[in-house]
Amino acid sequence: SQTIHQWPATLVQPVGSPLSLECTVEGTSNPNLYWYRQAAGRGLQLLFYSVGIGQISSEVPQNLSASRPQDRQFILSSKKLLLSDSGFYLCAWTGALGTGELFFGEGSRLTVL
Amino acid sequence: QKEVEQNSGPLSVPEGAIASLNCTYSDRGSQSFFWYRQYSGKSPELIMFIYSNGDKEDGRFTAQLNKASQYVSLLIRDSQPSDSATYLCAVLQFYFGTGTSLTVIP
Repeated sequence: SQTIHQWPATLVQPVGSPLSLECTVEGTSNPNLYWYRQAAGRGLQLLFYSVGIGQISSEVPQNLSASRPQDRQFILSSKKLLLSDSGFYLCAWTGALGTGELFFGEGSRLTVL
Repeated sequence: QKEVEQNSGPLSVPEGAIASLNCTYSDRGSQSFFWYRQYSGKSPELIMFIYSNGDKEDGRFTAQLNKASQYVSLLIRDSQPSDSATYLCAVLQFYFGTGTSLTVIP
């Protein structure tokens, strides 16, 4: 069966520090991968998605970046965090063929101080 | 204009009642619609998806789609306290509403 893992689960970072969140999917090949952010009291905002290794589409211009170095690995990064980067970050995958249902990781809660 | 809009609630219903959650979307060409449930502090999980006009039933849940009115709804029959959560409406994987918070009162 397919599983998705995301880490770290919680982190507290100072403004201006770097960020790296990692996500891996097991049990499937060539998934579509997504990064979302959910700020307090707001819906999910799609940040990046990827349909293949090295292919990244950015939905929202910001100080974040994403990379997909391997088929089932998706990384969200920042060189310098802002206060507004605080939120609940979710990685998700869909099959290349399927219903379009998103399968989410456990989430990473980021607090920038 | 937001792509997907939902009433944020909170919506409270007594146990055993029908909960009705509503969602409108702006892109008339949208084809695929999803309802996710999100418990506090947890990640969302799929409740239902719907592609065609009309109703789609799965157990206590019914999704309704009206493309002419650009309207999607989710009905929860015989609501249970375990249904208390935030319900997110989504168009494909790209646009989510802000969610409706539902509380089922025992």
